[in-house]
Amino acid sequence: AQSVAQPEDQVNVAEGNPLTVKCTYSVSGNPYLFWYVQYPNRGLQFLLKYITGDNLVKGSYGFEAEFNKSQTSFHLKKPSALVSDSALYFCAVIRRGASKIIFGSGTRLSIRP
Amino acid sequence: EPEVTQTPSHQVTQMGQEVILRCVPISNHLYFYWYRQILGQKVEFLVSFYNNEISEKSEIFDDQFSVERPDGSNFTLKIRSTKLEDSAMYFCASSGVGQRDNEQFFGPGTRLTVL
Repeated sequence: AQSVAQPEDQVNVAEGNPLTVKCTYSVSGNPYLFWYVQYPNRGLQFLLKYITGDNLVKGSYGFEAEFNKSQTSFHLKKPSALVSDSALYFCAVIRRGASKIIFGSGTRLSIRP
Repeated sequence: EPEVTQTPSHQVTQMGQEVILRCVPISNHLYFYWYRQILGQKVEFLVSFYNNEISEKSEIFDDQFSVERPDGSNFTLKIRSTKLEDSAMYFCASSGVGQRDNEQFFGPGTRLTVL
């Protein structure tokens, strides 16, 4: 069965420190990979995607993600966290040729001042 | 910047009533989707729609659900007889032409509360 795993329900980081939000996937073939962010009472905002090419993908708000095919991971990173980064982050995949996004369970990121 | 819009932002209904959730996708997009998020749970795919027909649907999308593109701009989700467990945030999304990109743009959601 296809799935996306976000092993941490919550990640707490001090402002200015680097952050990592983990994601692994189990999807056949070479899927497209995404990160979305959800702020309170808001919809899902696209952060970044991996389609092909360079394993390090840069996205919005200074976020980046590293694709690792051997580990089937797509961890989200940022070198220096901001309090405003506090939100719910979803890893997601689409199997090539399919239309539905498979979401992870989400990780709540909390940045303390 | 173009965006997906949804109305209403919050819908309260009695169990057994019909509801219609409305979405206006980005104007040049051709693929349309509905997802839902039960409070505290993950976002789940419901249905995708292309060329005036359903292209894929999940097990959740049973006979109580239907989708329609009644005109050139709106995309609707109808729940015929709502149940308590239909209470959730419903997100509409759209994407452009081409398989390569597959970036789906999401609306702000409609919170459905079934009493």
